Amino acid sequence: AQKVTQAQTEISVVEKEDVTLDCVYETRDTTYYLFWYKQPPSGELVFLIRRNSFDEQNEISGRYSWNFQKSTSSFNFTITASQVVDSAVYFCALSEAPPSYGNNRLAFGKGNQVVVIP
Amino acid sequence: DAMVIQNPRYQVTQFGKPVTLSCSQTLNHNVMYWYQQKSSQAPKLLFHYYDKDFNNEADTPDNFQSRRPNTSFCFLDIRSPGLGDAAMYLCATSRDNQGKQYFGPGTRLTVT
Repeated sequence: AQKVTQAQTEISVVEKEDVTLDCVYETRDTTYYLFWYKQPPSGELVFLIRRNSFDEQNEISGRYSWNFQKSTSSFNFTITASQVVDSAVYFCALSEAPPSYGNNRLAFGKGNQVVVIP
Repeated sequence: DAMVIQNPRYQVTQFGKPVTLSCSQTLNHNVMYWYQQKSSQAPKLLFHYYDKDFNNEADTPDNFQSRRPNTSFCFLDIRSPGLGDAAMYLCATSRDNQGKQYFGPGTRLTVT
């Protein structure tokens, strides 16, 4: 069974500090996708990144960066120079890849509540 | 520009009174999903449609039903809402074999 663990429930940082969110996953699949979604107070889940299991390159997008370590089954997310607009819940998720017929099922972690204090 | 639209954003219903939540999409995606998200929890998949094929999760209560009359629309019907069904309901879509899901803004359901 697929499982995603996000150990930290709530993280508070002062604006401009960096914050790293840990994500550890378990799967018996040899190919899979990993995702990060942001859920601001408005409720909509906003896609941030998708990474497939064969691509271990780290990625940077503006102030966001992701560190994929297949050896430790981790896909950590760092926000650099945090801003108040980064306050949200962040979910790590895992799905089979390639998705089988009709199955794009996402296994979500419990989420990290990030509070950025001005 | 909204791609996945959910109406209404807030719904109040009475205990036991049937309620329908709606979702529409402009992406022409063939897969549509319904998730239930309770406070401080991760979204939980209720069911999804792959084209017209309905796929129910094993632990989704019978009280929850869904309809997909065409590619663009999908409905969530709760036949007899209980207090425990109060939650945010999220609709999502994806194009098959691409994995990425696009979420709507959600409908927050209150049961009185």
